[in-house]
Amino acid sequence: DAGVIQSPRHEVTEMGQEVTLRCKPISGHNSLFWYRQTMMRGLELLIYFNNNVPIDDSGMPEDRFSAKMPNASFSTLKIQPSEPRDSAVYFCASSSGSPRNSPLHFGNGTRLTVT
Amino acid sequence: KNQVEQSPQSLIILEGKNCTLQCNYTVSPFSNLRWYKQDTGRGPVSLTIMTFSENTKSNGRYTATLDADTKQSSLHITASQLSDSASYICVVSAQQAGTALIFGKGTTLSVSS
Repeated sequence: DAGVIQSPRHEVTEMGQEVTLRCKPISGHNSLFWYRQTMMRGLELLIYFNNNVPIDDSGMPEDRFSAKMPNASFSTLKIQPSEPRDSAVYFCASSSGSPRNSPLHFGNGTRLTVT
Repeated sequence: KNQVEQSPQSLIILEGKNCTLQCNYTVSPFSNLRWYKQDTGRGPVSLTIMTFSENTKSNGRYTATLDADTKQSSLHITASQLSDSASYICVVSAQQAGTALIFGKGTTLSVSS
């Protein structure tokens, strides 16, 4: 089991540029989550998919953020245009069964720096 | 308001010593409580999940306790090792629609030789 795979591991971009983060969940998991982690705020849920359908996107900061899950094995988080305050570590996680009762399996994150 | 508070914010101990991390929550209605370990530069990894009826759960040298009446949990690490240096995050799940996972901000543990 390769675990949750995220790419790239690091991304440095200039303000105003488009950024796309990628995630491959664990095979067979039906729930996928995007989280953002900062020192100040800890881990914050951005969006949650169940069976490829967005269920809760209330954590998406604003219209500059969008997420897609075209199939069970791939998801993207896009920021357009990026701003310095978007600098953070972005984690993708997946789980099987109900996310309220099942452990989340996290990827190793993408560290985003926007200058 | 659903909240999870962890203490201390950071902790330094000598290798071989024991330590206890605390988690207080105000989440209601409660479903379960989880402890995660996050190594530097890595994603969090699940250590334990405890439901309302479970008071104690162990995972090797890690033992988590839960007091649902006082809404407190602790994570006890026995005979600490250098590899225990990490951030430990308490997460409480609420019985409601959606994901309903409330994250604490973590305790950073440093084990020195």
